[in-house]
Amino acid sequence: AQSVAQPEDQVNVAEGNPLTVKCTYSVSGNPYLFWYVQYPNRGLQFLLKYITGDNLVKGSYGFEAEFNKSQTSFHLKKPSALVSDSALYFCAVRDFGDMRFGAGTRLTVKP
Amino acid sequence: EAQVTQNPRYLITVTGKKLTVTCSQNMNHEYMSWYRQDPGLGLRQIYYSMNVEVTDKGDVPEGYKVSRKEKRNFPLILESPSPNQTSLYFCASSYQTSGGVDEQFFGPGTRLTVL
Repeated sequence: AQSVAQPEDQVNVAEGNPLTVKCTYSVSGNPYLFWYVQYPNRGLQFLLKYITGDNLVKGSYGFEAEFNKSQTSFHLKKPSALVSDSALYFCAVRDFGDMRFGAGTRLTVKP
Repeated sequence: EAQVTQNPRYLITVTGKKLTVTCSQNMNHEYMSWYRQDPGLGLRQIYYSMNVEVTDKGDVPEGYKVSRKEKRNFPLILESPSPNQTSLYFCASSYQTSGGVDEQFFGPGTRLTVL
């Protein structure tokens, strides 16, 4: 079965610094990958997706993700973090209608 | 406004008392899904539906039922709730592409406590 893993429960960065939230995947065919964000007391919001094509995917709120097939990774990145980026981030993989999410990474951006 | 609505938002019940959590979307999406969120486990898919009258089990379907009689509604039914079903539940919907589910729109969540 397909799966994703988020190796870090928590990531702390200072405002203005670049941030990376890591995700690795395991699939039997072509990967279809997503990142979602959950702000406190809110539902999840879509950030970006990789279906095929360019390895660098751009998404909402200045986020981007780098797909690396050889390392089976799909890390979420942002060049300059904002305090308002503090939230819970989930990586997910799709197999048609079946969705598997990672355990989540809590990002804290300190002023 | 395009949205996914869930009701109730909060529910405290007792073991064995049947309950239904409703989910409705106004975006004409083919795909709908239910998830539960538990600390340290992330989101786990319970059931999903690719279209009306089509439902499939997700990762953790035991103890849950669903139905999809109309495109906009996808209720989650707990016939005999147990304390291990205490969780935060999310409904989501999406357009369906040829490859499957696309970006999902999530409801606000239902916090369920089973005593």
